[in-house]
Amino acid sequence: EDQVTQSPEALRLQEGESSSLNCSYTVSGLRGLFWYRQDPGKGPEFLFTLYSAGEEKEKERLKATLTKKESFLHITAPKPEDSATYLCAVTSNAGNMLTFGGGTRLMVKP
Amino acid sequence: DAGVIQSPRHEVTEMGQEVTLRCKPISGHNSLFWYRQTMMRGLELLIYFNNNVPIDDSGMPEDRFSAKMPNASFSTLKIQPSEPRDSAVYFCASGPQSSNTEAFFGQGTRLTVV
Repeated sequence: EDQVTQSPEALRLQEGESSSLNCSYTVSGLRGLFWYRQDPGKGPEFLFTLYSAGEEKEKERLKATLTKKESFLHITAPKPEDSATYLCAVTSNAGNMLTFGGGTRLMVKP
Repeated sequence: DAGVIQSPRHEVTEMGQEVTLRCKPISGHNSLFWYRQTMMRGLELLIYFNNNVPIDDSGMPEDRFSAKMPNASFSTLKIQPSEPRDSAVYFCASGPQSSNTEAFFGQGTRLTVV
């Protein structure tokens, strides 16, 4: 059974204070690792897909990296509008469905 | 494209009543997923369709839950009879027929059973 664990559960940052979110996974043959952003009252919004160890992707202040056991979402000089819950998910040889972690709730204060 | 469309956005019902949630996936997507989100358990997969056929329904909690996909542009999730513990946000998502590509989520239906 695929398992995804995210840490920390919550993270408070000052505007401009860079940090990283962690996503550890155990799967039977990783097909893809996905990062989503979720704002209150809305559905998860797709950010990145990573497929193999060593891969990196960037979007504005966000950079996602992948190893054989975990992924990191690095947030550089965050702004209050980056406040949201960040969700990590995987697909594997088990099928097309996403298995999600519990999420990290990020709060960025001005 | 308007994205994945779910209705209703909010539903309040009494215990024992039947509830039907609706989803219109993104045109051209072959996979459709129903997820449930709660504070305690996060996002859980309920059922997954591929080309309108249910592939994995192991996440469906009980026989009170049923899902159908009569065609490529419509799916329903039905709860009968509903119970207070079914209160949650239910999301529908769709994606291309591949485990390498992302799924796109609707805005969800917030269900409250009183």
